[in-house]
This record gives sequence, C-alpha cells and structure tokens, in this order.
Amino acid sequence: DVQLVDSGGGLVKPGGSLRLSCAASGFPFSSHTMHWVRQAPGKGLEWVSSINSYGNFIYYADSVKGRFTISRDNGQNSLSLQMHSLRGDDTAVYYCVRDSKWNAFDAWGQGTVVTVS
Amino acid sequence: EIVLTQSPGTLSLSPGERITLSCRASQSFTTNYLAWYQQKPDQPPRLLIYAASRRATGIPDRFSGSGSGTDFTLTISRLEPEDFAMYYCQQFGSSPMYSFGQGTKLEIK
Repeated sequence: DVQLVDSGGGLVKPGGSLRLSCAASGFPFSSHTMHWVRQAPGKGLEWVSSINSYGNFIYYADSVKGRFTISRDNGQNSLSLQMHSLRGDDTAVYYCVRDSKWNAFDAWGQGTVVTVS
Repeated sequence: EIVLTQSPGTLSLSPGERITLSCRASQSFTTNYLAWYQQKPDQPPRLLIYAASRRATGIPDRFSGSGSGTDFTLTISRLEPEDFAMYYCQQFGSSPMYSFGQGTKLEIK
C-alpha cells in the first residue's frame, strides 16, 4: 500500500524555523513528483511547493518563496520541507503529497501540524 | 494568475439526490489538468477525478467529471450518506503552478 508519513510539525515562535519530513513507502518514490500542500485551520487547501522526481525542478508558492526549501532523498524515500522566518499565517496542517503523473495529487500523508505563535 | 471559483459555497441535499458542483476558472486553460477532491473532517483530501473527467482508482462510478476551458463540473449521480463532505477543484498549469478552489460544502438536509 502507498504510505506517506508526515512528521516534524510543532509549535514555533514567529521568525523561527522548522523542518518537516515525509517517509514514503509502497511505491517507486524516485519516479514521482512530490508536493507539500497546507491547510490553515478552518480554511481551504493551498499548494506550497513541488519537486520533480530528479530533484532538479523545484517550484514554490509566492507566499513561501525565499523562506521555504523543498528537497528529497530518493535513496531514503524521503521528502523534506525546511521552513525559515515562519509567520502566523504559516500556521496550518502540512501534507506530503504524491503526484499522479497527471498533475493531480493522488496520495496524501496524514498531515503534520505547524503552529506559529 | 488563474483563480478557481466554486459554486455553490454550501449545498444542503438528501441522500439519493443528484448533484452538480461547479468550478469556474478566471482564464481558460487548455491542458484540462483539472482535478476534484473530497475531504471529510480531520482527514486528508481524497482524489476523485483527474484530467477533468478520469475517475481515480477506487472511486465509485456515481462520481463523474466534465468540462473544458473555463467551466468544469463534478456530478454525483445519487448521493450516498458518505458523500457529505467538502469538495475542492484544483488546476495545474498557470501561476501559481497549482491552485485550488475555495471549496463547496455538501451537507445533509
């Protein structure tokens, strides 16, 4: 079964840093583009960042550009999101997400909660 | 920037009814990379439809998607109790690279 296990969330003060991780299993991780998507409390979904299978094409939402860094380790089947200069509006559940190869998100982690306060 | 607008915001219906949800894009996109998701409270979203009309693995055939250009729809032919949830559309292809609609809440009447 496809599994994505998100971790690393927590409470951090404004201006602080946090590193999220995602452990993938049950599929050929190195073949898929991966994403981070977040959801603020009571709000809708917001795409955060994407990285292609080789790790050489990376994209960010304007809201996090320059503050967040996405990376992957295909040998370890893991995805990471390094977050710096965190702000209150970064408070959200962060999901590790697999791309279906049709630019849709077909597998989601359970989410990890980031609270900036 | 493409903005996706979903309507209605909330819909109250009864099991067994047929429903069509709308997702309208502020600009036409030609790739048809439009997806639909279902989200229940305290759960991650679940992919229902991708490429506008293709059902994801394991999705019942009462769910169908259609549309092109700027207007897309998700139809549930006969509502089951487990279908009451939030629904989001999502596009790929234009700044921002991926974006979601604001969601439609489907609640039991």
